[in-house]
Amino acid sequence: SAVISQKPSRDICQRGTSLTIQCQVDSQVTMMFWYRQQPGQSLTLIATANQGSEATYESGFVIDKFPISRPNLTFSTLTVSNMSPEDSSIYLCSVEPYRQETQYFGPGTRLLVL
Amino acid sequence: GENVEQHPSTLSVQEGDSAVIKCTYSDSASNYFPWYKQELGKRPQLIIDIRSNVGEKKDQRIAVTLNKTAKHFSLHITETQPEDSAVYFCAASGRWFGNEKLTFGTGTRLTIIP
Repeated sequence: SAVISQKPSRDICQRGTSLTIQCQVDSQVTMMFWYRQQPGQSLTLIATANQGSEATYESGFVIDKFPISRPNLTFSTLTVSNMSPEDSSIYLCSVEPYRQETQYFGPGTRLLVL
Repeated sequence: GENVEQHPSTLSVQEGDSAVIKCTYSDSASNYFPWYKQELGKRPQLIIDIRSNVGEKKDQRIAVTLNKTAKHFSLHITETQPEDSAVYFCAASGRWFGNEKLTFGTGTRLTIIP
């Protein structure tokens, strides 16, 4: 597995503002993903963070709303832009380590938008 | 795209009895099926996974079975204990075809009754 950290662990934000969430891994990984989990719901993939190129977004998610960076093999950021109360959720990153065909999740960022 | 259905949504089991959670998938190209356990307020944790070249896999009290023809797979927990209480998610992906992203089921809330 891999040791994954996320910052911040939680935040309360005002509508119309933006928040950047960081995901850091202790070793180089092949794939990094960003998910959203609304209260009591399943995990929904937002995008795949590609190292050195633009992220691949899932249907219903757009780059202007959720810009993603992945400058190297151990770090990625997700920005939630122009937030509204509907963006209140838990945001999780996951990683797929080299030679391991599975995903491991970070601890998540709990976001509340007022 | 892939669609994963999971049943039941809630399950209550007497301590010591067995629990079974079932998932069906739609894409016959899917070949990797992990199961995650998520305790309240915590990240999803991988508990077991199976690949399509295997029909069954067991790890102590946990087992997973896969029926490729019927496109369904199941999680079996035997001799349940209070610490098994959590939400369980199944997932599917088509790894061998370059599709590493996971599609998750809707989750099963398992409660172990002492």
